[in-house]
Amino acid sequence: QKEVEQNSGPLSVPEGAIASLNCTYSDRGSQSFFWYRQYSGKSPELIMFIYSNGDKEDGRFTAQLNKASQYVSLLIRDSQPSDSATYLCAVKVAGNQFYFGTGTSLTVIP
Amino acid sequence: KAGVTQTPRYLIKTRGQQVTLSCSPISGHRSVSWYQQTPGQGLQFLFEYFSETQRNKGNFPGRFSGRQFSNSRSEMNVSTLELGDSALYLCASSLARESSSYEQYFGPGTRLTVT
Repeated sequence: QKEVEQNSGPLSVPEGAIASLNCTYSDRGSQSFFWYRQYSGKSPELIMFIYSNGDKEDGRFTAQLNKASQYVSLLIRDSQPSDSATYLCAVKVAGNQFYFGTGTSLTVIP
Repeated sequence: KAGVTQTPRYLIKTRGQQVTLSCSPISGHRSVSWYQQTPGQGLQFLFEYFSETQRNKGNFPGRFSGRQFSNSRSEMNVSTLELGDSALYLCASSLARESSSYEQYFGPGTRLTVT
């Protein structure tokens, strides 16, 4: 079983809609959770992090964490074509080691 | 504040050769991690250095090695290159202090092609 699992997609949403990206993890000792955006040919860019149960909002982005269900999600409101990218979920376990999911490809259709 | 820098950006090597990649973290960041990214495997953790010591190591063969200098700059070395080593090698830095959430910031990567 992989430490971090994401639906690879592709996920397509119309411009202005809400995109919902999901991630599950296996290590109950996981401490911090991160979402990265990666455009084709570029390196990952950190967009959100969360380490407490509940929601965390930053502009059009909301990260949601449920440690009991070992589930973290990212909502993108008012999706824009520039949001089209691969979104990587990352989990930090003890000792500053990170595990990444394989990413979900998002396409926002104008 | 300048971001994470990596050199070189592109490399073409032949099987059997060795290669050294360099990473300079964000100023003040003491932790440097290295990752290999391929289309099939995604981002895979190689190792992490903190204060010149390797703290964590991923599941890669001994041909992959690294080190960190006193100024937090890091290098990774791959010896006896194989075709399967062709990948994007990413370096990420973080503060890695107890009071922080340990978020990592990535450099632009080094694209290694082995022929």
